Amino acid sequence: AQSVTQLGSHVSVSEGALVLLRCNYSSSVPPYLFWYVQYPNQGLQLLLKYTSAATLVKGINGFEAEFKKSETSFHLTKPSAHMSDAAEYFCAVSDSGAQKLVFGQGTRLTINP
Amino acid sequence: NAGVTQTPKFRILKIGQSMTLQCTQDMNHNYMYWYRQDPGMGLKLIYYSVGAGITDKGEVPNGYNVSRSTTEDFPLRLELAAPSQTSVYFCASSYEGSNYGYTFGSGTRLTVV
Repeated sequence: AQSVTQLGSHVSVSEGALVLLRCNYSSSVPPYLFWYVQYPNQGLQLLLKYTSAATLVKGINGFEAEFKKSETSFHLTKPSAHMSDAAEYFCAVSDSGAQKLVFGQGTRLTINP
Repeated sequence: NAGVTQTPKFRILKIGQSMTLQCTQDMNHNYMYWYRQDPGMGLKLIYYSVGAGITDKGEVPNGYNVSRSTTEDFPLRLELAAPSQTSVYFCASSYEGSNYGYTFGSGTRLTVV
């Protein structure tokens, strides 16, 4: 069964610093991978997705993620954090039957001024 | 284009009461999902549907029921509410399964007292 592990339930960075949110997956088939963002008291919004077309995926708001098969990782990065990036971020993998997403436990990102 | 609409946004129930969380989408998506979100636990799948008349259990179906009589609507029924059902509930939909990612509703915050 597919699974996702997000390393670090809480990450704190300074404004302007690099953001790195870690995600490792387990999948028996070539995975479809996703990052979602959830702002306070809102639903989840798609940031980016990997569908095997390119290993480096660019998303909205300056975020990108790199698929590394050898490391079974799909880490999310942003070169320079902004205060508006404060939110919870979820990594997800599509199950082998392509019927449902399996989510990680989430990482709360805090930006310090 | 409203996307996925959930009602109500907030609700307080007493132990033993019942209620229905409504979810409707106007994107003609075949796949619909109900997740619950608890702090530090990520999103857990309750039920999902791959089309009108077809539903299936997710990870945490106990205490819940669903129906899918139309493509647009996917209500979630709570019978005999318990404090363990205090959570934020999200409905989501997808065009052709989870490889395409989901569109989420804004959530229903339910408290059982």
